[in-house]
Amino acid sequence: EPEVTQTPSHQVTQMGQEVILRCVPISNHLYFYWYRQILGQKVEFLVSFYNNEISEKSEIFDDQFSVERPDGSNFTLKIRSTKLEDSAMYFCASSEKTGGNTEAFFGQGTRLTVV
Amino acid sequence: SQQGEEDPQALSIQEGENATMNCSYKTSINNLQWYRQNSGRGLVHLILIRSNEREKHSGRLRVTLDTSKKSSSLLITASRAADTASYFCATAPYGNNRLAFGKGNQVVVIP
Repeated sequence: EPEVTQTPSHQVTQMGQEVILRCVPISNHLYFYWYRQILGQKVEFLVSFYNNEISEKSEIFDDQFSVERPDGSNFTLKIRSTKLEDSAMYFCASSEKTGGNTEAFFGQGTRLTVV
Repeated sequence: SQQGEEDPQALSIQEGENATMNCSYKTSINNLQWYRQNSGRGLVHLILIRSNEREKHSGRLRVTLDTSKKSSSLLITASRAADTASYFCATAPYGNNRLAFGKGNQVVVIP
């Protein structure tokens, strides 16, 4: 069964460093998303991406964050200068249609720890 | 305010019993989805119910949606130890792509 894959599963980084989280969405999906979940809290929407551009972003997704689809298969989330409060589980998701009309498939997540 | 607010309960039930959890939301939605998350793992999609549907079944899962009350329930029948997880509802509001998740219900099924 097709699945969304994320790498790495766990990343530890020092505050102020740049990190890139990688995702391979399901191949025939057109809509891609990043969400995050701070330990013990809700899953929060960060950004959606369609047709090589951001279609929507939340207030969390500030200038420190960027997304890219560098080739036909990968979808990345970059955090330019990590802060302690960026520590969270980051989930990539993809859907065939817009997230409002069809189910979104999530990856297993990358646990980011900023020290 | 957040959409997809589950009743913040932690359920502890015996294997074989049914588990019911609820979710309420605040704005008009396109659909409502339920997800399961095993400890420290990813989100697994369980079921999607559209705004024009009132009830949906998938295996041992039964979801209801009451748009007049802006609420949904998830029933897991004949629970198994493997159902131990957190369950989240997520709403897809009209007009945007984001899913709004609730805080989740922790369900523990005791063998």
